[in-house]
Amino acid sequence: EVQLVESGGGFVQPGRSLRLSCVGSGFTFENFAMHWVRQAPGQGLEWVSGLSWDSGGVGYANSVKGRFSISRDNAKRSLHLQMNNLTIEDTALYYCVQASKLGMASSGATFDNWGQGTLVTVSS
Amino acid sequence: QSILTQPPSVSGATGQRVTISCTRSSSNFGSTYDIHWYQQLPGAAPKLLIYSGSNRPSGVPARFSASTSGPSASLAITGLQADDEALYYCQSYDTTLRAWVFGGGTRLNVL
Repeated sequence: EVQLVESGGGFVQPGRSLRLSCVGSGFTFENFAMHWVRQAPGQGLEWVSGLSWDSGGVGYANSVKGRFSISRDNAKRSLHLQMNNLTIEDTALYYCVQASKLGMASSGATFDNWGQGTLVTVSS
Repeated sequence: QSILTQPPSVSGATGQRVTISCTRSSSNFGSTYDIHWYQQLPGAAPKLLIYSGSNRPSGVPARFSASTSGPSASLAITGLQADDEALYYCQSYDTTLRAWVFGGGTRLNVL
């Protein structure tokens, strides 16, 4: 069974930083692209960032570009999201997602497995 | 503003059929990228429901189907059940933004 377990969320003041982590099990981690998707309270899904299997392909939503950085450690089966200069608008539940293909933007790729999310609250 | 446009809500009675539309700005999306559909039950993480236009992952009932016509896609649910009440999202890749995009989501109410 595929499991994705996120951690690192919490309460933080605007302008501060936070680092999210996700550990995957039940699948061959290095064979799949990984993504972060967030959902603000009562709102829809927003793709945040994605990373190819070998970290060679990366993408960011315009809303986080320049502030967030995605990385992975295949040996540790882990995905990370470094979030800097946080704003109130970054308040959301952050999901770690396993894609169906190697590439970050492979044609036909789907978001197959989702973690339960880790909540980030940005407030003064 | 989402460039995958979905109606905010749809309703249907138990046993009936409903459809949810998803219209994409054709100038933003490459023709090689399909539309996928996700279901989010209350309090749960999203789940892949339909992929590449009309394919169902293992375990998804045949009551769920989808189709694509040009820049639009449509999710159909037949034989509505109470536990179909959920949020439904379409998704594709925007080759102009170089970003994955979700529609705004449609809340299905089963009367």
